[in-house]
Amino acid sequence: GQQVMQIPQYQHVQEGEDFTTYCNSSTTLSNIQWYKQRPGGHPVFLIQLVKSGEVKKQKRLTFQFGEAKKNSSLHITATQTTDVGTYFCAGFGGSNYKLTFGKGTLLTVNP
Amino acid sequence: EAGVVQSPRYKIIEKKQPVAFWCNPISGHNTLYWYLQNLGQGPELLIRYENEEAVDDSQLPKDRFSAERLKGVDSTLKIQPAELGDSAVYLCASSLSHNTGELFFGEGSRLTVL
Repeated sequence: GQQVMQIPQYQHVQEGEDFTTYCNSSTTLSNIQWYKQRPGGHPVFLIQLVKSGEVKKQKRLTFQFGEAKKNSSLHITATQTTDVGTYFCAGFGGSNYKLTFGKGTLLTVNP
Repeated sequence: EAGVVQSPRYKIIEKKQPVAFWCNPISGHNTLYWYLQNLGQGPELLIRYENEEAVDDSQLPKDRFSAERLKGVDSTLKIQPAELGDSAVYLCASSLSHNTGELFFGEGSRLTVL
């Protein structure tokens, strides 16, 4: 079945440093979504990418969808303590058209 | 507008006991999902409903888990009997439809089986 892999599993940065998490799918995706889960909270939708090579920005967050629609990345510029949490990618595709979540990247920020 | 509502937030039971979780999705959302989330892992789909029909229950352990969505609105997820390995957070989510993207998650129900 479809697998979605995310790296790194953990990332600790100093406030102000940049952060990137990468997502790779075993199959071509129809679209990819990104969610953020604060410690003790529930996943909250950030964005959806649909087109090959698509790049979207939300303030300090930049999301990219690969040309082959099998990989994606989330980049945060100048991290802040409010960015702390786990970032999940979720790929939509496969023969059964299922949304599959990666294991997430836990970001911690040292003030 | 109210979000996805789940109850209970926390449940502690002994193994072999039954447990049930309830979810009320966002009004008008046809698609409802139950996800399982273990510590340090991403959500894993248990079952997806389109209105009252379970259209994807391939990952639901049917020997002990059951779910229903009567009238296509609220849903319940039941485990009977619970095992130690069932300790996890059970997340309910809803969306306008399966193809429209954004999932709205509830706060989750944290189950501890002793």
